[in-house]
Amino acid sequence: AQKITQTQPGMFVQEKEAVTLDCTYDTSDQSYGLFWYKQPSSGEMIFLIYQGSYDEQNATEGRYSLNFQKARKSANLVISASQLGDSAMYFCAMREGQKGRRALTFGSGTRLQVQP
Amino acid sequence: EAGVAQSPRYKIIEKRQSVAFWCNPISGHATLYWYQQILGQGPKLLIQFQNNGVVDDSQLPKDRFSAERLKGVDSTLKIQPAKLEDSAVYLCASSLAGHTTDTQYFGPGTRLTVL
Repeated sequence: AQKITQTQPGMFVQEKEAVTLDCTYDTSDQSYGLFWYKQPSSGEMIFLIYQGSYDEQNATEGRYSLNFQKARKSANLVISASQLGDSAMYFCAMREGQKGRRALTFGSGTRLQVQP
Repeated sequence: EAGVAQSPRYKIIEKRQSVAFWCNPISGHATLYWYQQILGQGPKLLIQFQNNGVVDDSQLPKDRFSAERLKGVDSTLKIQPAKLEDSAVYLCASSLAGHTTDTQYFGPGTRLTVL
């Protein structure tokens, strides 16, 4: 089974509007972390936001917020007031609680295109 | 603070040749990762180092791939011999072990094309 599922291969949004990128995950661990990264065409993975499994509040970082619904195992990224520079690939990733093994499992990504 | 450095940025080789990639992590980061990202997919872990020891290399094709981190800082990833399916971006990341979020910060990647 896929550990991270991103069901939207591509999304379009108008500049200045909000957009939600979906992510569902699968784990039997109680302790885990969820991350979102942005990958522009230059190729570098840019960290956006983190949510811990025990965090009661949804994470926010500037225009980014993470809509964490633990029971549904979803961790959707919300980008408010989209900008042209937000056009990029967005990856959801999970780090599970296995001791010492801190690697991330990534989804297949969503390509976001912001239109003027 | 300087980010994760990688070189070269691009490499084109013929199949069966060998190639090496270099990574310098963020200063003070004990954990270093190599990921392979095939076009159209998310990154997949190849190997994780904690200081100069290997924590996880379960997905590293050990018949052709090798990696080392001799002094617990820089790391090299080698492919010998390369196959067509090794064409991908190789991403290096590092994290501050023991930090609550243990966020991984990525370098710009090396784009490998095997002809």
